[in-house]
Amino acid sequence: NAGVTQTPKFQVLKTGQSMTLQCAQDMNHNSMYWYRQDPGMGLRLIYYSASEGTTDKGEVPNGYNVSRLNKREFSLRLESAAPSQTSVYFCASSVGNEQFFGPGTRLTVL
Amino acid sequence: GENVEQHPSTLSVQEGDSAVIKCTYSDSASNYFPWYKQELGKGPQLIIDIRSNVGEKKDQRIAVTLNKTAKHFSLHITETQPEDSAVYFCAASKRSNDYKLSFGAGTTVTVRA
Repeated sequence: NAGVTQTPKFQVLKTGQSMTLQCAQDMNHNSMYWYRQDPGMGLRLIYYSASEGTTDKGEVPNGYNVSRLNKREFSLRLESAAPSQTSVYFCASSVGNEQFFGPGTRLTVL
Repeated sequence: GENVEQHPSTLSVQEGDSAVIKCTYSDSASNYFPWYKQELGKGPQLIIDIRSNVGEKKDQRIAVTLNKTAKHFSLHITETQPEDSAVYFCAASKRSNDYKLSFGAGTTVTVRA
């Protein structure tokens, strides 16, 4: 089992560009999450999907959209990137309480 | 919403000594409290968790205590080793919120050889 995988690992964007961060899990989990991690602020929930076909806003959803393509995949889209979106992005999936995290995508917006 | 505060932000200990990290939470309805360890360049990994019906839980060198009345919980690492050096995060959640996690800001632990 690969667990939770994320692509790309690193990305540099210019202000205004768009991109999609991909996430997939092979653990047959219903719930999936997108977080951002900034220095001194822990992890903050961007969006959440309790099951295929459903998505919900988290603590910091502005500037992002998500798609739960199927049970395995949950993508995060930045339509018009801003320097404030420079961060490390983590995808996670869960069964019950325990969340399993991917390795992260380090995004820099210039 | 839930607010989780974590202290200290950095902790340096001598190998073999103990390390203690403390967290407080604001929502009395929270009932699940996990601790995650994040090594450099990796995603967080669950190391131990505790539910509100339990006051203490141990797993080898790590233990977590929970005081529901005071709304705080702590991580204790005994006999620290160099591989314990990492960033540790506490979190809180509740069933009524689909167990979405609210994280503390993290503690960078350095174990000196």
